[in-house]
Amino acid sequence: DQQVKQNSPSLSVQEGRISILNCDYTNSMFDYFLWYKKYPAEGPTFLISISSIKDKNEDGRFTVFLNKSAKHLSLHIVPSQPGDSAVYFCAASPLLGGSRLTFGEGTQLTVNP
Amino acid sequence: GAGVSQSPRYKVTKRGQDVALRCDPISGHVSLYWYRQALGQGPEFLTYFNYEAQQDKSGLPNDRFSAERPEGSISTLTIQRTEQRDSAMYRCASSPTGTGGGNTIYFGEGSWLTVV
Repeated sequence: DQQVKQNSPSLSVQEGRISILNCDYTNSMFDYFLWYKKYPAEGPTFLISISSIKDKNEDGRFTVFLNKSAKHLSLHIVPSQPGDSAVYFCAASPLLGGSRLTFGEGTQLTVNP
Repeated sequence: GAGVSQSPRYKVTKRGQDVALRCDPISGHVSLYWYRQALGQGPEFLTYFNYEAQQDKSGLPNDRFSAERPEGSISTLTIQRTEQRDSAMYRCASSPTGTGGGNTIYFGEGSWLTVV
């Protein structure tokens, strides 16, 4: 039972264009959502988060959008840079009960120069 | 230390042997988590601690898996009588506060376990 799903295993984008990574979830108890970025041979590193009281959170080139009614979130990266090439994981947790995160399968983003 | 440190980075063991994986969290972090990640998948929750107390172990696959954090800092994940299906990356993570959700957790580089 995959509660957090990233349906696109890979995405390829030209440098300077927008990258849009998508994530869907099924558990209505999830209230807090995060994106992690992972380079090869490294652990996932936190990128950006959003709580369910918001529908958008922006941090520099990265913006996360949350559509609670659709149980969908997306990460926008603009403009995309070659250094953004990595695996991106979507994760979710309930606000109560600790920080146990449920992760999606990941999307490999490749930004071509 | 500056980040979450795990050892060993790579472990190859024979089926049936016990293995112990160590995690040293970020100094001062209250919560410590163990996740397992198979190739091509996201991390999967195993267990977590607040200080020395194991708060949730519902993700441990079976009773061959156990974890401890006796002094509220370093943690050990032990797998007894290893099986080939235990082969995976085992990731430790820590976060500064222990209550409630909405906390960012910081991952270590992981321990690759291969059971042959």
